[in-house]
Amino acid sequence: AQTVTQSQPEMSVQEAETVTLSCTYDTSESNYYLFWYKQPPSRQMILVIRQEAYKQQNATENRFSVNFQKAAKSFSLKISDSQLGDTAMYFCAFMSLNYGGSQGNLIFGKGTKLSVKP
Amino acid sequence: DAGITQSPRHKVTETGTPVTLRCHQTENHRYMYWYRQDPGHGLRLIHYSYGVKDTDKGEVSDGYSVSRSKTEDFLLTLESATSSQTSVYFCAISEQRSNQPQHFGDGTRLSIL
Repeated sequence: AQTVTQSQPEMSVQEAETVTLSCTYDTSESNYYLFWYKQPPSRQMILVIRQEAYKQQNATENRFSVNFQKAAKSFSLKISDSQLGDTAMYFCAFMSLNYGGSQGNLIFGKGTKLSVKP
Repeated sequence: DAGITQSPRHKVTETGTPVTLRCHQTENHRYMYWYRQDPGHGLRLIHYSYGVKDTDKGEVSDGYSVSRSKTEDFLLTLESATSSQTSVYFCAISEQRSNQPQHFGDGTRLSIL
């Protein structure tokens, strides 16, 4: 079974600075996706970024980028130029692509609460 | 934003009563999912659907049933609610089973007293 671990329950960063959130996962599979979702106080779950495991190039979306280390099973999220609106819970998630009962199911970590301070 | 509507947004009920939560989508996506979110656990999959009348269990399906009679609606039922089912429930949809991200509704906060 796959597991996702987010070792930082809470983090804080000053506005305009850079912060990195950690995520590690455990799987024996070779084909999968990884995601970061953001949950602001409004409770919405918002997709931030995704990474296909077969791609070596790290995904980027504006101020958000990932450091994907497949051999180490690590998938960290870097937020550059942090803004007050980045304050939220951030969840790392794993999705298996291998055919079978768990294909397409999202496995979430427990989340990291990020506070951006003015 | 994906067209997903969850109803009700909030509900308070008593132990032993039946509860039904509704998820309605306007995207015509084939796949729909129900998750629960609890402190210290992240989100966990309850049930999912891969078409009309086609459903399967997730990680935490005990005490829950689902139905999908139309593409756009996915219902989650607690036959006899217990306090351990107090949680925030999220519906999600996706166009494909894999290779596509899931998009989430705004959640339903359910309190069982």
